[in-house]
Amino acid sequence: DAEITQSPRHKITETGRQVTLACHQTWNHNNMFWYRQDLGHGLRLIHYSYGVQDTNKGEVSDGYSVSRSNTEDLPLTLESAASSQTSVYFCASSDRVGYGYTFGSGTRLTVV
Amino acid sequence: GDSVTQMEGPVTLSEEAFLTINCTYTATGYPSLFWYVQYPGEGLQLLLKATKADDKGSNKGFEATYRKETTSFHLEKGSVQVSDSAVYFCALLSGNTPLVFGKGTRLSVIA
Repeated sequence: DAEITQSPRHKITETGRQVTLACHQTWNHNNMFWYRQDLGHGLRLIHYSYGVQDTNKGEVSDGYSVSRSNTEDLPLTLESAASSQTSVYFCASSDRVGYGYTFGSGTRLTVV
Repeated sequence: GDSVTQMEGPVTLSEEAFLTINCTYTATGYPSLFWYVQYPGEGLQLLLKATKADDKGSNKGFEATYRKETTSFHLEKGSVQVSDSAVYFCALLSGNTPLVFGKGTRLSVIA
């Protein structure tokens, strides 16, 4: 069965370290998205991609980057982790613009 | 920009009670509207959707009707169960922009 997988599920890192969160989907979806979930804020968009080599900034992109070298993967990199980036991160994908998304199970990141 | 406002939680109900979670939106154009559900420790799952005015989305006993005149998409269920305890998110898609979410409403159903 097709799926969308995030790894790791949990990570603890130190302030200032570079961290990469993985997102891999086997749906063959063109569109992929990263959101963060924080209490009182719901889900906020970090970055998204509508195809290979395409990346776009979302509402809360400062301190994060993504790259899209193939259809299946959209890794999220925190260039220099900060305590404000402690959050739960969700990756999602969709077949076409305007369609509902399929979400991964999330990565809980703690920056100490 | 586009936005979604949903009622603050938490909402606590007894089993078999009627559920309403209010959702209103602001958008240019004609958005598609969604309800997602998040069970504890899991990602979000699509619960239902509606793509045009007066459409009714339904799934698992939940319903929501796309009301353009009141810019609303309220979620309802006639008789909730303990297993419905989760966080519910209202969201919209408009044009080429990604999903915009409300802040979520936590529902707790007690036996």
